[in-house]
Amino acid sequence: LAKTTQPISMDSYEGQEVNITCSHNNIATNDYITWYQQFPSQGPRFIIQGYKTKVTNEVASLFIPADRKSSTLSLPRVSLSDTAVYYCLVGNVDRGSTLGRLYFGRGTQLTVWP
Amino acid sequence: DAGVIQSPRHEVTEMGQEVTLRCKPISGHDYLFWYRQTMMRGLELLIYFNNNVPIDDSGMPEDRFSAKMPNASFSTLKIQPSEPRDSAVYFCASSLTGANVLTFGAGSRLTVL
Repeated sequence: LAKTTQPISMDSYEGQEVNITCSHNNIATNDYITWYQQFPSQGPRFIIQGYKTKVTNEVASLFIPADRKSSTLSLPRVSLSDTAVYYCLVGNVDRGSTLGRLYFGRGTQLTVWP
Repeated sequence: DAGVIQSPRHEVTEMGQEVTLRCKPISGHDYLFWYRQTMMRGLELLIYFNNNVPIDDSGMPEDRFSAKMPNASFSTLKIQPSEPRDSAVYFCASSLTGANVLTFGAGSRLTVL
């Protein structure tokens, strides 16, 4: 099962771009990379998912190098409301085997300051 | 859709009592997951179901914990007897095959005194 390593915490100021890098050296061929965001007293919320290269949506961008052993979540021009825990997950929830066991870990606490 | 619905949102009980947490997944989703979150251990998977059948319960801490999914629209997580170390936020999540995305409920905060 592919586990992930990401920084425990990061700080930023409003208006800056934030990049959170996740390491996943044991990623399998069929694994996707998914990022979730969790605010206090709420469940995690899906923000972006990718397999390779670059994915962009209205919230964030996800950069994945060719070897797929890491990925970077990019949040453009963060605001105070982006303060949350961000989780990087690797896995394939489609599989009815142990590959369906997604590992959240502790995530990265992003704090955005005024 | 109302999303994943969990109840109760908060539960305070005394050690030794039985606790039952409930979850209604999103209609049509065929995977259901139970997670536990604590400051010390982060977010841990306890068990997950596919088409109402338990697939992997290796995360269930001990025999005091049990989970059932009698039909596609309802699941329970039961702790009997409860202990103070069970205090945590318990999340239910559901997913649809092929979507690769989990949708979480708001969680049930359990405090065992």
